[in-house]
Amino acid sequence: AQSVSQHNHHVILSEAASLELGCNYSYGGTVNLFWYVQYPGQHLQLLLKYFSGDPLVKGIKGFEAEFIKSKFSFNLRKPSVQWSDTAEYFCAVNARPRLTGGGNKLTFGTGTQLKVEL
Amino acid sequence: KAGVTQTPRYLIKTRGQQVTLSCSPISGHRSVSWYQQTPGQGLQFLFEYFSETQRNKGNFPGRFSGRQFSNSRSEMNVSTLELGDSALYLCASSFGSYGDTEAFFGQGTRLTVV
Repeated sequence: AQSVSQHNHHVILSEAASLELGCNYSYGGTVNLFWYVQYPGQHLQLLLKYFSGDPLVKGIKGFEAEFIKSKFSFNLRKPSVQWSDTAEYFCAVNARPRLTGGGNKLTFGTGTQLKVEL
Repeated sequence: KAGVTQTPRYLIKTRGQQVTLSCSPISGHRSVSWYQQTPGQGLQFLFEYFSETQRNKGNFPGRFSGRQFSNSRSEMNVSTLELGDSALYLCASSFGSYGDTEAFFGQGTRLTVV
């Protein structure tokens, strides 16, 4: 069964600091990868996704992530965080269902709570 | 374009009762997935429906069931509620069926079992 690990459970940064959140998955086949964000009181929203092609993907609000196949990793980065980035961040994986018959099952990591201080 | 709508937003139930949660997907989306979110276990996949058929099921007991109607609206039912079923239940809808389109999440239904 696939699993997703997020190494940092709580991260506190000052505004303008750089951010990197780690995500590793365990699945031997090809995967679709996602980062979702949950702002306080709001629903989960997609930050960015990787399906194929350029392993460096850019998402909304200046976020980017790099897929490193050899390391089974999909780390999230932002060069300069803002107070409004305070939220919980979730990495998620979907085993390539085109190869297995279909499905939108997402396996999530446990999430990283990011607090950005002014 | 309206988002994913879940009703009710909050529920308080007693142990042993059953509960039904509802989810209306984004218009045109035929895939609906359900997740349970708790502080201890995080987000866990319950099941997915596509065109009224259950396509995937997570590791939850048979007390958790669901269905999807011809208009793609979905319901989730939990019977014989236990204290441990207290959680935020999230519904997500997707346009495609192969995991390569974005899943849009609703605000969730907060279930408290007392």
